[in-house]
Amino acid sequence: ETGVTQTPRHLVMGMTNKKSLKCEQHLGHNAMYWYKQSAKKPLELMFVYNFKEQTENNSVPSRFSPECPNSSHLFLHLHTLQPEDSALYLCASSQDSYGYTFGSGTRLTVV
Amino acid sequence: KNEVEQSPQNLTAQEGEFITINCSYSVGISALHWLQQHPGGGIVSLFMLSSGKKKHGRLIATINIQEKHSSLHITASHPRDSAVYICAGLMNYGGATNKLIFGTGTLLAVQP
Repeated sequence: ETGVTQTPRHLVMGMTNKKSLKCEQHLGHNAMYWYKQSAKKPLELMFVYNFKEQTENNSVPSRFSPECPNSSHLFLHLHTLQPEDSALYLCASSQDSYGYTFGSGTRLTVV
Repeated sequence: KNEVEQSPQNLTAQEGEFITINCSYSVGISALHWLQQHPGGGIVSLFMLSSGKKKHGRLIATINIQEKHSSLHITASHPRDSAVYICAGLMNYGGATNKLIFGTGTLLAVQP
């Protein structure tokens, strides 16, 4: 256990479904991140939150909607996804861009 | 061209061998992370380096700032070291904005 907890670990959803990924950290970090890891590609940054404020949206389609209700929790709301959105979604936290800690990821399959 | 380049992409070793994974990075990267990703996905941070050398158990990471090059070494490799090793550079985009730029990873398989 790294200190960053992601749920669920695996998710299969249809293209018309709505689901949410959850990330939780109690490390006292002030920044939280969503990354996407597709097969054979480097990790891609999706969103960054600093002190609950979104500071980065890396041209992510609107079918991905992040939410950060407090500095310990981060959600990724998913709706009307496409099969090419199937990937590993990783959450991470850090303190001022240092000491990155990653979660175990959610393996998402869109059918 | 990616700002962080790793080599090799795939590496197979026999148990006990000394292993080296290399990472080259571009101007603007101020620190290097070495990460380990096991099957199943979770990523563990092994080292963060901005200069010199760090050692943890059988793992050693070095960085040469002038050459913009870092290496991860594993001594006395073991099958449980089999994983993907990822190099990630911390790049400053102005002010307090820093981002990690990831390499494509090195898939290491250590055979008994």
